[in-house]
Amino acid sequence: DGGITQSPKYLFRKEGQNVTLSCEQNLNHDAMYWYRQDPGQGLRLIYYSQIVNDFQKGDIAEGYSVSREKKESFPLTVTSAQKNPTAFYLCASSQATHTGELFFGEGSRLTVL
Amino acid sequence: AQKITQTQPGMFVQEKEAVTLDCTYDTSDPSYGLFWYKQPSSGEMIFLIYQGSYDQQNATEGRYSLNFQKARKSANLVISASQLGDSAMYFCAMREISQGGSEKLVFGKGMKLTVNP
Repeated sequence: DGGITQSPKYLFRKEGQNVTLSCEQNLNHDAMYWYRQDPGQGLRLIYYSQIVNDFQKGDIAEGYSVSREKKESFPLTVTSAQKNPTAFYLCASSQATHTGELFFGEGSRLTVL
Repeated sequence: AQKITQTQPGMFVQEKEAVTLDCTYDTSDPSYGLFWYKQPSSGEMIFLIYQGSYDQQNATEGRYSLNFQKARKSANLVISASQLGDSAMYFCAMREISQGGSEKLVFGKGMKLTVNP
């Protein structure tokens, strides 16, 4: 089945450690996105990529990094520079259709101990 | 300034009744798209309905319809005949185009709907 796979689903890390969240899609979508969700804050855009080897900062990119070396993969690294990394992270992809709706993965919950 | 505003933090509705979830938006672009997503407690985001700014008719998808009032910049979601499975967080979102020409979705803060038996 086509879809978006995020891993791991739950992740714990110590302060000062970098961690990478995986996002893979087999929908053949060009665009991919990373959102962060905190309680009462809705979804906030971290980074997005319209094509391979190109990506743009979203509204809250500080402390995060991404790469887009392959069309189907868009990993997100949460660096030690991110002050409040504990959150629910959602990856999404879309295609340039009439609606262009986002298709989401099931999310990764990161907890910093 | 918020581009998507959802003022209702939470709502309760009786099963089988209709419910309206409010959403207002702010944009100066003539072309834009509006979306509603549902997020159950499991966390996944489920696309419900889309309305384009140039669409003449209000969008409908099964029990979901979008009450689009362009002049008032509102895009309220109407759920008819509520079911217990409709209990979830609901997010309104708008597609906007950045200066570089790339598209992204901006989300509201969401609201929690609880359907009571």
